[in-house]
Amino acid sequence: QKEVEQDPGPLSVPEGAIVSLNCTYSNSAFQYFMWYRQYSRKGPELLMYTYSSGNKEDGRFTAQVDKSSKYISLFIRDSQPSDSATYLCAMSGYSSASKIIFGSGTRLSIRP
Amino acid sequence: NAGVMQNPRHLVRRRGQEARLRCSPMKGHSHVYWYRQLPEEGLKFMVYLQKENIIDESGMPKERFSAEFPKEGPSILRIQQVVRGDSAAYFCASSPPWTDTDTQYFGPGTRLTVL
Repeated sequence: QKEVEQDPGPLSVPEGAIVSLNCTYSNSAFQYFMWYRQYSRKGPELLMYTYSSGNKEDGRFTAQVDKSSKYISLFIRDSQPSDSATYLCAMSGYSSASKIIFGSGTRLSIRP
Repeated sequence: NAGVMQNPRHLVRRRGQEARLRCSPMKGHSHVYWYRQLPEEGLKFMVYLQKENIIDESGMPKERFSAEFPKEGPSILRIQQVVRGDSAAYFCASSPPWTDTDTQYFGPGTRLTVL
């Protein structure tokens, strides 16, 4: 069983829709949770960074962490074609200065 | 404020040659990490370095791969006697010394092709 499970998609939604991306994990030692966006043949770009459980909002993006269920989510409101990319959930343990474990990524396509 | 810099962006090597990948962290960052992304696979941690120290190399293959982050200059990931299975995108990330409120930022990657 992988430490981090993420549905690879692809996920295709119409422009303006709300997108929900999710990951589950097995290691209860994870405390730092991230979402990265990766465009084709580019480096991962940090979108959201949260510590422990709770919600965090930044513009059209909301990240949720539920440590009791070992489940994290990313919501994208008013989705745009420019949001089309691969979204990677990621997490690390005792410190953010430790190795990050990534999900396999969900490929998202926003249809104009 | 420049981000994480990696060079070269593309590198072609023949089997048996050596590959050297360079990474300059963001200004003010003293921690460097290397990750590998094989075709159609996720990002996998390789090594974590601070200046002149390897902190965690649990993801490094046991042979042919080495990494350093000298006191002066960029971090280097070195692959000796490359094989076709080494073809991948190699990403460097950096983070600041304070680790509770910030995380790792990635460079654009070096795409290694082994012929």
